[in-house]
Amino acid sequence: SAVISQKPSRDICQRGTSLTIQCQVDSQVTMMFWYRQQPGQSLTLIATANQGSEATYESGFVIDKFPISRPNLTFSTLTVSNMSPEDSSIYLCSVELQPNTDTQYFGPGTRLTVL
Amino acid sequence: AQSVTQLGSHVSVSEGALVLLRCNYSSSVPPYLFWYVQYPNQGLQLLLKYTSAATLVKGINGFEAEFKKSETSFHLTKPSAHMSDAAEYFCAVSDRDYKLSFGAGTTVTVRA
Repeated sequence: SAVISQKPSRDICQRGTSLTIQCQVDSQVTMMFWYRQQPGQSLTLIATANQGSEATYESGFVIDKFPISRPNLTFSTLTVSNMSPEDSSIYLCSVELQPNTDTQYFGPGTRLTVL
Repeated sequence: AQSVTQLGSHVSVSEGALVLLRCNYSSSVPPYLFWYVQYPNQGLQLLLKYTSAATLVKGINGFEAEFKKSETSFHLTKPSAHMSDAAEYFCAVSDRDYKLSFGAGTTVTVRA
């Protein structure tokens, strides 16, 4: 396994502002993923972030709203832009430690509340 | 495309009783299947995974799951529930294309 950390662990933000969430893993990984978990819901994949290439977004998610950076093999950020109360969710990053296994390991999540 | 159905959004069991969580999947190729657990205010922890080896998979914390191709099922069981098993459990499937599709989740409550 690996140690995956996220910052911040939680935040309360005002509508119209932006928040950048950081995900750090203690080993080099090719594939990192960002998920949203709305209150009482399951996980929905936002995008896949591979180092050295643009993030790939799932249907319903766009780069202007959720810009992602992946500057190296151990770090990624997700920004939630121009927030509204509907963006209140838990945001989780995950990594695939062993390539081609589809096995993802998750960070502890960032709990975001937008007022 | 793959999808997952978890039967029962909430399961309540007595301490020491069998835990059975149901998961059915659809996939266009032989799938990889996973069970994750999420404790309150935490991220997801991998319980076990099926990747086309043995059909009975043993995981952490005494959990196991059986892959049944004919029934397209991957039910999770634990013979004897413990209070610490109270959590939300997610079944997930991948079509071997690195993406996971998650079920809606089942919340387990354990009664003393």
